[in-house]
Amino acid sequence: GAGVSQSPSNKVTEKGKDVELRCDPISGHTALYWYRQRLGQGLEFLIYFQGNSAPDKSGLPSDRFSAERTGESVSTLTIQRTQQEDSAVYLCASSLPGVNEQFFGPGTRLTVL
Amino acid sequence: GEDVEQSLFLSVREGDSSVINCTYTDSSSTYLYWYKQEPGAGLQLLTYIFSNMDMKQDQRLTVLLNKKDKHLSLRIADTQTGDSAIYFCAERSFTGGGNKLTFGTGTQLKVEL
Repeated sequence: GAGVSQSPSNKVTEKGKDVELRCDPISGHTALYWYRQRLGQGLEFLIYFQGNSAPDKSGLPSDRFSAERTGESVSTLTIQRTQQEDSAVYLCASSLPGVNEQFFGPGTRLTVL
Repeated sequence: GEDVEQSLFLSVREGDSSVINCTYTDSSSTYLYWYKQEPGAGLQLLTYIFSNMDMKQDQRLTVLLNKKDKHLSLRIADTQTGDSAIYFCAERSFTGGGNKLTFGTGTQLKVEL
C-alpha cells in the first residue's frame, strides 16, 4: 500500500501568516508523530498521537504550534503567526502500536520569508 | 534529559568499511536505531538494536552497542556510492512517558571512488 504522504511538499509564506501542514499516515497505523528538522540538524520531536489517547505535546516549541488528528487518520500541524525561525522541514511518521519502526513521509519544506 | 551526539562528516573510499559513531545519555533507552536519509527523501529505517544486546548484524550492516559507555556504532562493510547519505542514530525511551525518538544531528557519509 501507499506510504506516509505529506502535503504540501514545499510551502513559502510571509512572516506572520498561518500555515497548515497535512499528513496522511499509512492505513491502520494508530501512532502518528510530527518532527521538525532544521537545516543541518537532527530531528526534533514535536507531538505524538496514539489512538484515542491524549496526545503527547511535550515537544511543541510554543503555543503558536498546534496539531489535530481525527481518529486514526489524517493529521494537520498548524503554525500560527509564523516566524523565520520556523523555517524547517516538517516530517510526519506513523507506526503500528508497540512496533519499533516509524515510517516517515517525505516532509514539508517550510520557508518563512 | 536525552541527548544524542554524532560526528558531522565521514568520508570513505568505495569498497572500504565505514564506521559511524553515536553517543547517547539516557540510560533508560530501550531501543536504538539507525536511519538513513538520502537527498530529498524521508528517513528510512536501516536497523535497530534492543538495549540488552551487544551486537546485531544484518548483511553489510553491523551495529555495536556499549551500554556502559552509552556508545552505539554502525559499520557498513564494502561501502558503495549508493551508501552516500546522512545517517541518524536515535534512541527510544519512555522517559516522561512518551514514545518519541530522540535523534542525533546526523553524520553525512561521502563515498569517494
